[in-house]
Amino acid sequence: QQPVQSPQAVILREGEDAVINCSSSKALYSVHWYRQKHGEAPVFLMILLKGGEQKGHEKISASFNEKKQQSSLYLTASQLSYSGTYFCGTEDAGGTSYGKLTFGQGTILTVHP
Amino acid sequence: NAGVTQTPKFQVLKTGQSMTLQCAQDMNHEYMSWYRQDPGMGLRLIHYSVGAGITDQGEVPNGYNVSRSTTEDFPLRLLSAAPSQTSVYFCASKAGRAIGYEQYFGPGTRLTVT
Repeated sequence: QQPVQSPQAVILREGEDAVINCSSSKALYSVHWYRQKHGEAPVFLMILLKGGEQKGHEKISASFNEKKQQSSLYLTASQLSYSGTYFCGTEDAGGTSYGKLTFGQGTILTVHP
Repeated sequence: NAGVTQTPKFQVLKTGQSMTLQCAQDMNHEYMSWYRQDPGMGLRLIHYSVGAGITDQGEVPNGYNVSRSTTEDFPLRLLSAAPSQTSVYFCASKAGRAIGYEQYFGPGTRLTVT
């Protein structure tokens, strides 16, 4: 089952902050975040693992609430280059998942000068 | 290190034709997968592989076949193309077959079926 992202779209001015949320109905082992610009492939930003380990981007932070199966991506002091569609991908905690990533429907972020 | 490569970049097929989308990675990754991306639908998993000789279905496998004879290559075959298969196809690979590894995407193949 697909994780649910909110909001569907965000419009910001440079320097403003944004939060993108990702929620799943399944027990999760990890949450991945990707950014995709128009006509390009998704680019890995960050992975958050059960137990608190976090790997990825230096300027973007995220949280993972294991009890609620929710993750939030925090974009602070936004830049024009932050524009794009953000996807969360989730890995189930089940032993037979083999690391399959299931993606949310995406959040479109637009940053204006 | 080329990462994940895909060919072709663009393809137009007629209904009923078959073709193979190529995917290769040079990072010695065990896990590879294929996604399709349609407007407003996000990325949907078609098939995946946890190593040479091992493949399994994702959430939208109908109309597609895969095989994994080497660690490097993971081709996706469309058996009889249909307009509903018009989409952008992404191949991806991960450093480990288990959970908790970053996944890297290829540049994509834009397929149109008329």
